[in-house]
Amino acid sequence: AQTVTQSQPEMSVQEAETVTLSCTYDTSESDYYLFWYKQPPSRQMILVIRQEAYKQQNATENRFSVNFQKAAKSFSLKISDSQLGDAAMYFCAYSRQGAQKLVFGQGTRLTINP
Amino acid sequence: GAGVSQSPSNKVTEKGKDVELRCDPISGHTALYWYRQRLGQGLEFLIYFQGNSAPDKSGLPSDRFSAERTGESVSTLTIQRTQQEDSAVYLCASSSDLSAQYFGPGTRLTVL
Repeated sequence: AQTVTQSQPEMSVQEAETVTLSCTYDTSESDYYLFWYKQPPSRQMILVIRQEAYKQQNATENRFSVNFQKAAKSFSLKISDSQLGDAAMYFCAYSRQGAQKLVFGQGTRLTINP
Repeated sequence: GAGVSQSPSNKVTEKGKDVELRCDPISGHTALYWYRQRLGQGLEFLIYFQGNSAPDKSGLPSDRFSAERTGESVSTLTIQRTQQEDSAVYLCASSSDLSAQYFGPGTRLTVL
């Protein structure tokens, strides 16, 4: 069974600084997707970024980028120029290719200090 | 366009009662998922619908839980004889491209 592990229950960063959230996963599949979701106090899960495993290039969405290391089964999220609105729970998630369920990590609570 | 909607936003019920939670997916999305999120934890998969295929019920925790979906539209998650351990946020998601899932705001269920 696939598993996703987030080893940092909490992280904090100064506003405008850069922070990296860690995620590792375990799978025997070769084709899959990885995601980072953000969940603010409103509890709405918001898709931040996704990565297809067959793509070697790391995904980037504005201030958010990932470091995808397939061999190491590592998928970290880097947030540049942190803003107060980035404060939330961040969940790493995995899915097999083709409309499969998401397997989530336990989450990392990110605090932004003004 | 409109996102995934869920109702009710909050539901308080007494132990032993049945509850129904509703999800309206994004129009045109063929896949629909239900997840459960207990306080302070990640999401647990419950059930998945894809078009006219048989649903994947592998995440349902007991036979008190069931779900239906009418075509490619509304889905209802039913919990019978609710227990206090069922208290959680129930999140629905839909997908069109078989990769990214888009979530609704969830229903917070409290069983007294």
